Amino acid sequence: GDSVTQMEGPVTLSEEAFLTINCTYTATGYPSLFWYVQYPGEGLQLLLKATKADDKGSNKGFEATYRKETTSFHLEKGSVQVSDSAVYFCALGGGSYIPTFGRGTSLIVHP
Amino acid sequence: EAGVTQFPSHSVIEKGQTVTLRCDPISGHDNLYWYRRVMGKEIKFLLHFVKESKQDESGMPNNRFLAERTGGTYSTLKVQPAELEDSGVYFCASSQDLGGRRLDTQYFGPGTRLTVL
Repeated sequence: GDSVTQMEGPVTLSEEAFLTINCTYTATGYPSLFWYVQYPGEGLQLLLKATKADDKGSNKGFEATYRKETTSFHLEKGSVQVSDSAVYFCALGGGSYIPTFGRGTSLIVHP
Repeated sequence: EAGVTQFPSHSVIEKGQTVTLRCDPISGHDNLYWYRRVMGKEIKFLLHFVKESKQDESGMPNNRFLAERTGGTYSTLKVQPAELEDSGVYFCASSQDLGGRRLDTQYFGPGTRLTVL
């Protein structure tokens, strides 16, 4: 079946550091890919998405590119802030796909 | 506009007891979804309602889980009897779109943390 694998956390960074959270997927065909963020005490919020190969999703300084050849959708940000501390989930879905999430990666940013 | 709300936020019960979780979707959203995240693992899809009908319940783990959405408004998820492996966070989401399981249009609630002792 479909699956999403993302790097284990927690990821601990200092403010203004560069962030990469790796995500790879297994699916038949070409699903849409997503990154969700969950801040403490809140529900999941859509951070960005890409619907086809080579698309780049971006939002709030985060970006991820849909790479069909490596079945990847890595999340990056050039300079993280303390307020980015949260749990990040990679997911696939759309069309006939059952929404499928990764395990989540906790990000902790220190001042 | 109020978001998706879930009640309770936390529940601690003993093995063998019954627990009922409630989800109130955003007003006017016909689609309602339940998901579960067992500690440290993936968020798993459980089921999808369109109004009061179950569109897809392929993710329901077993017959100890019963979801209902009477009247097509709020939904309940009952676990009876609860087992240790049912512990986790149960998320609800709702969406307005007519196309079914689009993920990017779903609004998630904060989740109910269930602990079975």
